[in-house]
Amino acid sequence: ETGVTQTPRHLVMGMTNKKSLKCEQHLGHNAMYWYKQSAKKPLELMFVYNFKEQTENNSVPSRFSPECPNSSHLFLHLHTLQPEDSALYLCASSQEGTVGASYEQYFGPGTRLTVT
Amino acid sequence: GEDVEQSLFLSVREGDSSVINCTYTDSSSTYLYWYKQEPGAGLQLLTYIFSNMDMKQDQRLTVLLNKKDKHLSLRIADTQTGDSAIYFCAEGDQAGTALIFGKGTTLSVSS
Repeated sequence: ETGVTQTPRHLVMGMTNKKSLKCEQHLGHNAMYWYKQSAKKPLELMFVYNFKEQTENNSVPSRFSPECPNSSHLFLHLHTLQPEDSALYLCASSQEGTVGASYEQYFGPGTRLTVT
Repeated sequence: GEDVEQSLFLSVREGDSSVINCTYTDSSSTYLYWYKQEPGAGLQLLTYIFSNMDMKQDQRLTVLLNKKDKHLSLRIADTQTGDSAIYFCAEGDQAGTALIFGKGTTLSVSS
């Protein structure tokens, strides 16, 4: 248990559906991340939020829409996805801006998304 | 651009030592990390090393860093079947806003 939870753990959706992934961290961190993990590819950073402000958006298609209402919660809203979007979506959190910090990121268990 | 490379597979026998290697390109990396991912789970931080260190030991884990060659290794002593997993090397810069991950090395331990 890393202190980062994700729901749902598994999701199957059609290409015309709208769904949301949820992440919650109980570590008091101020930065949260969405990563995509596909087979045989490196982890791809999608979005970074620092103090609730989006600081990175790695050229992610607009069918993925993040939301960070507070420093403990992060959502990824999905709509009109493609089959190639099927992957494991991982959420992580870390504590940024602290002198001497090692910036390690703590990951949730992921949501296994299948787009049919 | 920034890149982290790892071999994809390693197979060892139980009780042997495992050495997983990683090379990176960003010389400004401040921290280098090793993460472990078991089937169906997220990434778990195993250990990390600050860029001004050469070695770090933590129980069965030894991390070696050759900054000149930008080479990082993770040695697992007395490897157990429970160590079977995917091991990811990652680098981070001073701002700590993003980690760059390798593709992961799948460690298979046979009894």
